[in-house]
Amino acid sequence: QKEVEQNSGPLSVPEGAIASLNCTYSDRGSQSFFWYRQYSGKSPELIMFIYSNGDKEDGRFTAQLNKASQYVSLLIRDSQPSDSATYLCADQFTDKLIFGTGTRLQVFP
Amino acid sequence: DAGITQSPRHKVTETGTPVTLRCHQTENHRYMYWYRQDPGHGLRLIHYSYGVKDTDKGEVSDGYSVSRSKTEDFLLTLESATSSQTSVYFCAIKGGTHANTGELFFGEGSRLTVL
Repeated sequence: QKEVEQNSGPLSVPEGAIASLNCTYSDRGSQSFFWYRQYSGKSPELIMFIYSNGDKEDGRFTAQLNKASQYVSLLIRDSQPSDSATYLCADQFTDKLIFGTGTRLQVFP
Repeated sequence: DAGITQSPRHKVTETGTPVTLRCHQTENHRYMYWYRQDPGHGLRLIHYSYGVKDTDKGEVSDGYSVSRSKTEDFLLTLESATSSQTSVYFCAIKGGTHANTGELFFGEGSRLTVL
């Protein structure tokens, strides 16, 4: 049974700081991971996809995958109050996504 | 906008009654999914479909059935609702710019309360 684990938080960071969100996974063979952002009362929206070791950058977001240590992270640079949300990590298993429980991020002015 | 519509968006029902949630998509996607989301549990897969009349179970399928008689509609049925099925239900489709990336796009959710 694949498992994806995340610290539920909340993770509190000041505006302008770097927020670091982490996710560990159980299946050493996993290759593709997704980060979703979910605002309170809304549906999850995709923000990043990563399938190879190393870093992938998209604007203020950087996803990092370390297959040897079986963790995935999401860095948010220059955090803004509008980044306050729950961030969900997901592991792709054939045609399905297995989600972690999410980490709540709070960015305070 | 992935063209996904869920109905109803909110429903309150009583224990033991049947409930059907509908997911409708307008973009001819092959794969459709039903997840539930509960505090402390994140998103958990109930059932998914990989084509008309082709469905499979997810990790929390007990108490739920699904049907897909046409590409655009994926129905989730609770034959006899229980309070443990009080949740927010999300439909999703698999889509994206690359066929193999596997990202899911979610509907707006259906909040179900079973009294």
